[in-house]
Parts: sequence; structure tokens; C-alpha cells
Amino acid sequence: QVQLQESGPGLVKPSETLSLTCSVSGYSISTNFYWGWIRQSPGKGLEWIASMFHRGNTHYNPAFQSRVTISVDTSKNQLSLTLRSVTAADTAIYYCVKVLTSYDPGNWGQGILVTVSS
Amino acid sequence: DIVLTQSPANLAESPGDRVTLSCRTSQSVSNNLAWYQQKPGQAPRLLIYGASTGATGIPARFSGSGSGTEFTLTIISLQSEDVGVYYCQQYNNWPLTFGGGTKVELK
Repeated sequence: QVQLQESGPGLVKPSETLSLTCSVSGYSISTNFYWGWIRQSPGKGLEWIASMFHRGNTHYNPAFQSRVTISVDTSKNQLSLTLRSVTAADTAIYYCVKVLTSYDPGNWGQGILVTVSS
Repeated sequence: DIVLTQSPANLAESPGDRVTLSCRTSQSVSNNLAWYQQKPGQAPRLLIYGASTGATGIPARFSGSGSGTEFTLTIISLQSEDVGVYYCQQYNNWPLTFGGGTKVELK
């Protein structure tokens, strides 16, 4: 059973860098699939941020591309997200996901609330 | 980017009613379309993927149909626990995109 658990600071100051980690259990991220991050601002819809294949192929939402980096650490079976120069608009619940495909339903973490405030 | 338009934005129906939610995509996504249910304070829960394949543990009253650019999620008999926001998502092209959601309430 695949499980994803997000971790990181719940509060980040404006203009600073948001760093999140996702620990994956029950599946080796070096085996297959894209892994990524989705966020949801308070009271708003879902927004895909970025995804990465274990071999290094990455895809970024153009809305974030200049500020975001996604990476994987296969030795720790972890996925990471770095979002630079954050503003209050980056306040959201950030979800770690195993991206679904036509033959696999994917998985979601429970999400982590990150608030950007001084 | 592929734009997903969901309709209606809100709906209120009585328990036992048949409910139909629509998702239209700005270009063909084949059958690479998923539906999620989200309740307050919870992560989205996958209902349907591949446009019509039910996810594990999803009640049979939920069904999906469609292909190309027009998709439908049907709840055959609305239950009180089905209240929430429903999102469609396409995973045929990068960037992955979501619809704006349909909020389902009980009348």
C-alpha cells in the first residue's frame, strides 16, 4: 500500500523559500511513475505545480516555472519541492502525489498547510 | 494548456435523486480524465479514472462516461455523504489541469 507523507515548515516569511519533503512508503519511487506536487489555496481549487519521473524527466506548471524546483532522492525514497520568493498568494495546502496514469489510479498524501506571513 | 470547464458550478438535489456533473475540455484528452470528490478538511478522493474506471472502494452509484472533450460523472442515487466538491482532472497532456469544481449540496 503506497503512502505519502508531506513534511516541512507550516509558516514561511514573505520573500523566503518554501521547502517541502514527501516521504514515500510501500513503493520505490525509482521503479516507475511520475511523482509531483499539487496545491490548494484556501477556499480555492486544485493547482498542479510540478512532476518528476525518477529518471529525471521533469514538468513544471508555467505559472511557477521560474520559482520552483522539484527533485527526488531515491536513496531516501523522498520527493522534494522548493518554491522561492514566496508571497501570501502561496499560502495553501500542498499535496504530494503519485501521478495517476491510464492503468494506475495514483495516490495522494494528506497534505500540509503552509502559511506565508511575517 | 488544456482548460477544463465544469458545470454546473453549484447544484442542490434531494436524497435519492440522480445527479449529473459535466466536464468539458478545451481539446481532446482521449479518456485520460479523472474525477475527485473533496469534503471539507480532507484531501481529494479519487472516484473515477480513465474516464469510466471506478477507483477501489468507490460505491457503485458513482459512474463516469465520455471521451475526447465531453465527460460526465453520474451519481445514480444521491446520498447525504455525497455532499462536497467534485473536480475533474486531465492527465493526457502537461501541464496537468483541473476543472474549477462543482459543489454538490442537499436540497
